[in-house]
Amino acid sequence: DARVTQTPRHKVTEMGQEVTMRCQPILGHNTVFWYRQTMMQGLELLAYFRNRAPLDDSGMPKDRFSAEMPDATLATLKIQPSEPRDSAVYFCASGLGTDNEKLFFGSGTQLSVL
Amino acid sequence: DAKTTQPNSMESNEEEPVHLPCNHSTISGTDYIHWYRQLPSQGPEYVIHGLTSNVNNRMASLAIAEDRKSSTLILHRATLRDAAVYYCILRPLGANSKLTFGKGITLSVRP
Repeated sequence: DARVTQTPRHKVTEMGQEVTMRCQPILGHNTVFWYRQTMMQGLELLAYFRNRAPLDDSGMPKDRFSAEMPDATLATLKIQPSEPRDSAVYFCASGLGTDNEKLFFGSGTQLSVL
Repeated sequence: DAKTTQPNSMESNEEEPVHLPCNHSTISGTDYIHWYRQLPSQGPEYVIHGLTSNVNNRMASLAIAEDRKSSTLILHRATLRDAAVYYCILRPLGANSKLTFGKGITLSVRP
């Protein structure tokens, strides 16, 4: 079965370090969404892309977060510098980019910033 | 964005039907009703979506009120594997629209 692949599955880092999370969308999908999930805030939309162009990144703290799609098979979410409050599970999802597309989610990257 | 309201939690018995309600009184004419669920330690998973008519698929049924101000997700025979958080989401028509999650309803299934 086609699936969205996220790496790494787990990441433990120290405050101030750079963190890069990667997402491989399903082949042929042209929308990519990044979400963050914490117990307090639930699932928050950080950014989303269509055809590799950012459509909306208003949910993302701009000073330390950046999201890119270097090519159609890779989306990245970077945090620099990381802070303990960034500890969360980060999910990537992809879709066909059609009206009412189904989104397919990866298994997430669990980030702990000490 | 139009909001949805769901109870915080619900319990059901295994092999019995489950009706998960969702209120969306401010829904607009171009909002589709989407349901996703999230099993423990997994990413969300698409369940079903609809606009006006009731919808069925292999996972569930979606019953939409005539005035579209509420809807109900129906699991016909709950299994232990259906224990999850179920999210009711309004998504505007349009390929560039967002999918914004609320708090969802936590479904527990008793053996």
